[in-house]
Amino acid sequence: AQKITQTQPGMFVQEKEAVTLDCTYDTSDQSYGLFWYKQPSSGEMIFLIYQGSYDEQNATEGRYSLNFQKARKSANLVISASQLGDSAMYFCAMREGDAGGTSYGKLTFGQGTILTVHP
Amino acid sequence: NAGVTQTPKFQVLKTGQSMTLQCAQDMNHEYMSWYRQDPGMGLRLIHYSVGAGITDQGEVPNGYNVSRSTTEDFPLRLLSAAPSQTSVYFCASSYRTGSYGYTFGSGTRLTVV
Repeated sequence: AQKITQTQPGMFVQEKEAVTLDCTYDTSDQSYGLFWYKQPSSGEMIFLIYQGSYDEQNATEGRYSLNFQKARKSANLVISASQLGDSAMYFCAMREGDAGGTSYGKLTFGQGTILTVHP
Repeated sequence: NAGVTQTPKFQVLKTGQSMTLQCAQDMNHEYMSWYRQDPGMGLRLIHYSVGAGITDQGEVPNGYNVSRSTTEDFPLRLLSAAPSQTSVYFCASSYRTGSYGYTFGSGTRLTVV
């Protein structure tokens, strides 16, 4: 079964508008972490934001925020005031288990969403 | 800090050849892992390590070997290259605890002909 599902292969947004990229996850662990990465056309993987399963508040990092709905097992990325430089592939990823456990060393990725920002 | 350094950046192999992709990090990260990225499939975990001397298989380990003799280095060995191993390979590392994401290397684009 897919552990991380990103249902939007591609998304389009107008510059300066906000956009939400969807991510749902599946785990039976109580302790886990959710990550979003950006991969521009140059290919590098850039860490954007992290949400822990026990965090009560949604994570924010500048123009990025994570809409965490634990009961629905969703962790959507919201990008506010989109910029042309936001055009990239975006990956949602999950790390399961507790710190020190071997499963804690693995990230499971979704298939990604290609975001295109139009001027 | 250099972060995570992968070499080479590009490689072309003939079917049946072997090679080693190098990965080194200078952040004293306990966790290191190798992923491959194929179109439409995201990143899939090949092997990972939670510390020197400890490695485990990920989702797609067949045809690859790893070892971790030091905290800094985590090489990936292709035993007998096949066209199905044509991919982009990423090495990544992370601290053992905390909210840090994995730091990724710049990737190796491998083509097997």
